[in-house]
Amino acid sequence: EAQVTQNPRYLITVTGKKLTVTCSQNMNHEYMSWYRQDPGLGLRQIYYSMNVEVTDKGDVPEGYKVSRKEKRNFPLILESPSPNQTSLYFCASSGLGLAGAVGELFFGEGSRLTVL
Amino acid sequence: SQKIEQNSEALNIQEGKTATLTCNYTNYSPAYLQWYRQDPGRGPVFLLLIRENEKEKRKERLKVTFDTTLKQSLFHITASQPADSATYLCALPLSGGSYIPTFGRGTSLIVHP
Repeated sequence: EAQVTQNPRYLITVTGKKLTVTCSQNMNHEYMSWYRQDPGLGLRQIYYSMNVEVTDKGDVPEGYKVSRKEKRNFPLILESPSPNQTSLYFCASSGLGLAGAVGELFFGEGSRLTVL
Repeated sequence: SQKIEQNSEALNIQEGKTATLTCNYTNYSPAYLQWYRQDPGRGPVFLLLIRENEKEKRKERLKVTFDTTLKQSLFHITASQPADSATYLCALPLSGGSYIPTFGRGTSLIVHP
């Protein structure tokens, strides 16, 4: 079954304690992306990757890191989480079409993070 | 600044009617536009993609139009059902040379039985 898997689904942590949210896809997609979703603000892109070892900032990258060492995995790292990073996080992947256009995005089930 | 506008107010309609949702964008002319459905606490699910050279696209009870002159896409659900109740998001690339979609904030649709 084609899917994007995120872990953990729920996490409560404290300020400053490093954490990693994993994302894995089994569709051999080149493109992967992280979003955060907050009430009234919609989906905002944090980082994205066009392929292995190619990552770039989205609209709200501050406080986050990513890596793309393998095609299937795209972990999101919060080195020193703060309460303003409390949010619902989504990972997504897509194949690339003509001229590198991002196609249908497949989303994970989401990771709800609370930073106290 | 470039942005995407979707009605922030929920759309309430009666079962069996046609729901019409709007996505307006400014400035840039995108190569394509996508529509997604999102249920509370779940990840968005892709519904349709329409390209700049297509005026209309259909899939079962769904229809999307794309007016590049008005810079607007309309998303229609005919014969709506309570199960269609969800938030609907449009997404499109906002800058020239980019094929990475940016999401609108979505419109909530509530279909009453």
